[in-house]
Amino acid sequence: NAGVMQNPRHLVRRRGQEARLRCSPMKGHSHVYWYRQLPEEGLKFMVYLQKENIIDESGMPKERFSAEFPKEGPSILRIQQVVRGDSAAYFCASSPEGTGKNSPLHFGNGTRLTVT
Amino acid sequence: LAKTTQPISMDSYEGQEVNITCSHNNIATNDYITWYQQFPSQGPRFIIQGYKTKVTNEVASLFIPADRKSSTLSLPRVSLSDTAVYYCLVGDPYNQGGKLIFGQGTELSVKP
Repeated sequence: NAGVMQNPRHLVRRRGQEARLRCSPMKGHSHVYWYRQLPEEGLKFMVYLQKENIIDESGMPKERFSAEFPKEGPSILRIQQVVRGDSAAYFCASSPEGTGKNSPLHFGNGTRLTVT
Repeated sequence: LAKTTQPISMDSYEGQEVNITCSHNNIATNDYITWYQQFPSQGPRFIIQGYKTKVTNEVASLFIPADRKSSTLSLPRVSLSDTAVYYCLVGDPYNQGGKLIFGQGTELSVKP
């Protein structure tokens, strides 16, 4: 049973370009979460999605960032007009039916975005 | 969500038992305590979760005193591969909606 798959593992973009990060949750999981980890910092929650719905985007910057989890295909985190401050590791996690006792999040190995 | 405090770093040697303590003075009645492990260039991995007293699995033990204001993650006989950052998280897993609050974590370094 494959874990959470993220691609690409590394992504380099120049300032002003768009970055698209993809996440395929574990099989059978319908809840996806995106986190960002800046250098030397802990992970910060960005957004929580279920299929075709954004449940909580309270951690996502209001501008340039968007996320989707379509009925078919992976979840996409999109960053438009990237700036150097967007350089970070972006982690995706999934769970089967939302969180609960004994239902921890399963994280992927992240996409490391570098903005030059 | 309850704030947690844990040591920034710890050193240990192979074969030793390592205990990492986390303080969470403002823990709420419905909050559980969860520990994650993160290796460099990887995502966090769930280790253990508990509510009170003691929980043990194949990887670690979690000790929670009666007042629940702190908890201790115990790693028996660590090896070099246990070198990682360990995060203590406190929250209500039924109502957090996946919004886990990660602090700085404890960077454990295991030496030969």
